[in-house]
Amino acid sequence: QQQVRQSPQSLTVWEGETAILNCSYEDSTFDYFPWYHQFPGESPALLIAIRPVSNKKEDGRFTIFFNKREKKFSLHIADSQPGDSATYFCAARNYGNEKITFGAGTKLTIKP
Amino acid sequence: EAAVTQSPRSKVAVTGGKVTLSCHQTNNHDYMYWYRQDTGHGLRLIHYSYVADSTEKGDIPDGYKASRPSQENFSLILELASLSQTAVYFCASSDGDTQYFGPGTRLLVL
Repeated sequence: QQQVRQSPQSLTVWEGETAILNCSYEDSTFDYFPWYHQFPGESPALLIAIRPVSNKKEDGRFTIFFNKREKKFSLHIADSQPGDSATYFCAARNYGNEKITFGAGTKLTIKP
Repeated sequence: EAAVTQSPRSKVAVTGGKVTLSCHQTNNHDYMYWYRQDTGHGLRLIHYSYVADSTEKGDIPDGYKASRPSQENFSLILELASLSQTAVYFCASSDGDTQYFGPGTRLLVL
């Protein structure tokens, strides 16, 4: 069962453009929504996260937009740089048991 | 200094053999997790634990056992390795919010 759906599977944008990665979920008990990035040959690492009490979270060029009613959240990467090229995973955590469910990932390529 | 370490970093196993993957963390975290990563499937949770001597099933526990003998150590055991278990395995510890991943173990079952 895939409780967190991520799209697109791959995305290519030009340097300087805004990349938009999307996720949706089904379980209303999810209470924490992080995004992780993974560079080739490395481990995933936390990029940015949001809790449902907010509908927006910014950290530099990275912004999460959260829509609780539609059970959707997205990651916007402004002014994309070639160094942002990586695989990005959205995730959701169940309230109470700390179980994490990851999306299938979006492979992002930034062309210079 | 790496706070989550895994051993071995890579392993070749034979079908039907027993494989043990080990994870050690120095983060003093209560939560530890085992994931497998396959192309197209992202990270899938196998087992996790929130206290020593107790483990919980994740989303894909079949064919795997887990052991948490102490807060610092969490092992993943494949009693009868199969070809379908070829993957990269990541261990992680968590403070409840952030997952801190180890470097991964690349397992090839032949």
